[in-house]
Amino acid sequence: KAGVTQTPRYLIKTRGQQVTLSCSPISGHRSVSWYQQTPGQGLQFLFEYFSETQRNKGNFPGRFSGRQFSNSRSEMNVSTLELGDSALYLCASGEAGYGYTFGSGTRLTVV
Amino acid sequence: AQSVTQLDSHVSVSEGTPVLLRCNYSSSYSPSLFWYVQHPNKGLQLLLKYTSAATLVKGINGFEAEFKKSETSFHLTKPSAHMSDAAEYFCVVSGRDTDKLIFGTGTRLQVFP
Repeated sequence: KAGVTQTPRYLIKTRGQQVTLSCSPISGHRSVSWYQQTPGQGLQFLFEYFSETQRNKGNFPGRFSGRQFSNSRSEMNVSTLELGDSALYLCASGEAGYGYTFGSGTRLTVV
Repeated sequence: AQSVTQLDSHVSVSEGTPVLLRCNYSSSYSPSLFWYVQHPNKGLQLLLKYTSAATLVKGINGFEAEFKKSETSFHLTKPSAHMSDAAEYFCVVSGRDTDKLIFGTGTRLQVFP
């Protein structure tokens, strides 16, 4: 079956703009979680959604938000972009018993 | 709260020699633990998982890990390194009743010919 699909793969934005990233989980998976990967901070948890409800949120400012739709697809939004938001954003779907599958990520560059 | 500590930021081995990547965990309950690999400019690939079944877990590409509760360790091993094993490896623990993942800081594995 198809894996986790993230779009777009690459984005270049200007400081102050906003951006929306999309994640389509593996068919049948109801849980989607998001992570930010940077060279300095490593992989950090952003949010987790299950059946359209946010179950957990990481320690990120309110400029970072997300949502999940009834078909389990998820989006995350970053408003008022800062240079420090440049990162690889990864999403995952699955559950502990079966393991988690990650998408290829969206590489965001803020200039 | 759970956490994982990867004891080595870099490990270098020669092709054909054993690989050992060390991970200690902290958890107030029986954890679910994972090892993921990330090749340059790629996403994360699941190598293996421990979810309270057999303590010796076999994964893909010849990797395996042993869950040792007494030592709170989950070290990753491979008998014979291959050049294609050169990558970043992450030890990961998942939260209780959630799918939130907590990552270690990663170990970069170099394999020399």
